[in-house]
Amino acid sequence: DGGITQSPKYLFRKEGQNVTLSCEQNLNHDAMYWYRQDPGQGLRLIYYSQIVNDFQKGDIAEGYSVSREKKESFPLTVTSAQKNPTAFYLCASSRQGVGYTFGSGTRLTVV
Amino acid sequence: AQSVTQLDSQVPVFEEAPVELRCNYSSSVSVYLFWYVQYPNQGLQLLLKYLSGSTLVKGINGFEAEFNKSQTSFHLRKPSVHISDTAEYFCAVSDGAGNNRKLIWGLGTSLAVNP
Repeated sequence: DGGITQSPKYLFRKEGQNVTLSCEQNLNHDAMYWYRQDPGQGLRLIYYSQIVNDFQKGDIAEGYSVSREKKESFPLTVTSAQKNPTAFYLCASSRQGVGYTFGSGTRLTVV
Repeated sequence: AQSVTQLDSQVPVFEEAPVELRCNYSSSVSVYLFWYVQYPNQGLQLLLKYLSGSTLVKGINGFEAEFNKSQTSFHLRKPSVHISDTAEYFCAVSDGAGNNRKLIWGLGTSLAVNP
């Protein structure tokens, strides 16, 4: 069955480290998205990509970076510049914005 | 710019009672509307969507929603809830056109079904 796979499910990061969250989809969707979720704040868009080799900043891109070298993959790197990275991260994909399919999320904790 | 307001942050309800989760959006020429559900520590799952056609949309798990263009609303309803419906519910509106459509999200409504 087609879907989106996020890994790992739980991730721990030390202060000053960069970490990369994986997102892979086999739905043949053109667009992919990264969201951050904090309690009571809904979903906040970090980055999105409408096509391979192109991506745009969302509302809270500072301290994050992405790449889109393949249609299936959209990894997110949380850099040491992100001051408060502890959160639940969600990846999604869509075809022409007609509804999103979400992965199961990665919970990142700074230790 | 498009915006979405979920009018209740928390909705407590007893099992087998009816429930309505309210969602309003700002006006737009062409909108697609969505409701998603999120169970703890999981991703979001599509409940239902309105793209065009009938204004009453039926979704999974017995939920339905009605698109009201004049009131710019898309309220979610279920006639009889179960304990298993306890979750966070998100309303979203698709903004833009063609390949540039993105979803604009409400802040969510936490539904707590009590025995």
